[in-house]
Parts: sequence; C-alpha cells; structure tokens
Amino acid sequence: QQQVKQSPQSLIVQKGGISIINCAYENTAFDYFPWYQQFPGKGPALLIAIRPDVSEKKEGRFTISFNKSAKQFSLHIMDSQPGDSATYFCAASKNGANNLFFGTGTRLTVIP
Amino acid sequence: DAGVTQSPTHLIKTRGQQVTLRCSPKSGHDTVSWYQQALGQGPQFIFQYYEEEERQRGNFPDRFSGHQFPNYSSELNVNALWLGDSALYLCASRSGQGVSDTQYFGPGTRLTVL
Repeated sequence: QQQVKQSPQSLIVQKGGISIINCAYENTAFDYFPWYQQFPGKGPALLIAIRPDVSEKKEGRFTISFNKSAKQFSLHIMDSQPGDSATYFCAASKNGANNLFFGTGTRLTVIP
Repeated sequence: DAGVTQSPTHLIKTRGQQVTLRCSPKSGHDTVSWYQQALGQGPQFIFQYYEEEERQRGNFPDRFSGHQFPNYSSELNVNALWLGDSALYLCASRSGQGVSDTQYFGPGTRLTVL
C-alpha cells in the first residue's frame, strides 16, 4: 500500500514557468514532509521540508504548501530553469526524519 | 566535510549469491538508514541502525541484514539474491534520534542480479 501518493508522474515546463507537484497521504501520524531532488546516477538531495504546524514554507524559488485537513502537500518551483530538470520525490515520516515513506516520483523537464 | 559515501558504486551478482554493501555516514552523524530504490520508483526503507543496533525495520525479508560498527559506518548484507533485488541501494545518515534532524543520502550502490 502506497503511503504517499504523488502526481503527476512527469511534467514538462517552459523555462521561467511554475512547476507544481502534488502529494497526498493517509497516515495522520506523519509529522515531517520533505521534498527530495534526484539527478540520474545520484542519491536524493533534500530540497525543503515542512512540519504540519505551518501551512507554507519558502526557500528561494522552492515553496511547500501544506493542507493538513486535506492531507495534501505540494511543491512549487518558481521561475523554473533547465538545471531544475530532475526527478522529485515527496516523502513523509513519523517522529521526524526517521523511516521515510517516499512517493513514486515526478520527472520534471524544463525546456529552454 | 565529506558527505555520505558508499561502496562499491556498481556490483553485478548472480542469483543465489550473497552481497555486502558499505556506507560511511556524514561526519558527526551516528544514525544510518538503508533504502532500496527500484528503477523508476521511490526509495523504500529497509532498516535503520543507531548505537550498533537495528532500531527500525521496513517490510523486507530476513535475507536483508545489517551491521553498524563503533565508528558509525554500516554494512548491508543480502543473502540468496534473486532478480528482484536488482536496485539502487541508498544509505542515509543523520545525527541522533531526534525529530528535527535531516537525513542525507549517499550516491548509492547499483546492484544488478543476473
């Protein structure tokens, strides 16, 4: 059973556009929601993370929006650049950054 | 400051064989987790080691075992390999068992089982 559902599976965005990736979860015990970026042949790298006591967190061009009642969270990449082309994973865990449950990933392609 | 390192980078084994993968955590980190990432999928948690003991375990059979050494480095052992074990094996490290610490991932070991 997939604990975290992610969509879309793939996304193509023009340079300068906004990329939006969505995730949903069922387990209300989750209290930590990170987003990871992964390039081919590399391990996932943490982009940004949020806890359920806030509804939004912004770091540079990356913003997480969190809706606790809907059990959904999303990643927004503003002013998308070709260098952002990678696979993005949402994840969730209980008790902080321990056992992470990952989504299935979104392959983002930013075209010039 | 070196990040998480893993060895080897790539490995090819045949069905039924055993394999050992190694991980050195980021400096200052004492907790190591292992994940399996099948092609086109998200990583799946295998287990976590802290203070040389397995603290948490995901839904993986006993063929998957691990060890943590006094210097916090860790090994993942997989016995009786089968084709479905082909994947990228990721090691992640963090500091302690608190709720506010980030997991940092290594580059992974690509295991191919023929």
